[in-house]
Amino acid sequence: DSGVTQTPKHLITATGQRVTLRCSPRSGDLSVYWYQQSLDQGLQFLIQYYNGEERAKGNILERFSAQQFPDLHSELNLSSLELGDSALYFCASSPRSSSGVYNEQFFGPGTRLTVL
Amino acid sequence: DQQVKQNSPSLSVQEGRISILNCDYTNSMFDYFLWYKKYPAEGPTFLISISSIKDKNEDGRFTVFLNKSAKHLSLHIVPSQPGDSAVYFCAALSSNTGKLIFGQGTTLQVKP
Repeated sequence: DSGVTQTPKHLITATGQRVTLRCSPRSGDLSVYWYQQSLDQGLQFLIQYYNGEERAKGNILERFSAQQFPDLHSELNLSSLELGDSALYFCASSPRSSSGVYNEQFFGPGTRLTVL
Repeated sequence: DQQVKQNSPSLSVQEGRISILNCDYTNSMFDYFLWYKKYPAEGPTFLISISSIKDKNEDGRFTVFLNKSAKHLSLHIVPSQPGDSAVYFCAALSSNTGKLIFGQGTTLQVKP
């Protein structure tokens, strides 16, 4: 158990819909990261938040957005869903400081999104 | 643009032997390299990392080697155990951007 929790575990929805994935980081971790793992794909970095502020952006579509709340939990919002958005979405957290000191990332169990 | 590549999608070894997983990268700005292990239906689990200023880091049965001139790193598992069977991801981190770039993964099967 990494200490990172994600809900829901599974999500099935239809094209055109909007969903929200939730992540609670490890206690004390200020950084939250979101990743997408599609079929036959490696983990693709989407976005990072540090203490409520967006810190880095990866291959995140405009239909997707995220935020980190004052209690440090984060939500990933996916809208106008397409079949190709079906994937595993992982959240990770790290105690990485704002000055850039490295720490490894701890991953949650993921949310499996299926778009029908 | 695949900045981190794991060219072997799968590897099969006998229990007790050495497993060697390879990874190549293209960006010389990466500060740290990490290996993660992933079982089905679980998130990746951090295994071992190495700073770009080192060439070797060892932790029990796991050793990571870094060859900066070749932009290549490898993970050695000795001795391999059936419980090591999983997907192994190589990842590279650039501290100033905070981005962790993953390879495609290598599926390791350790046969009893």
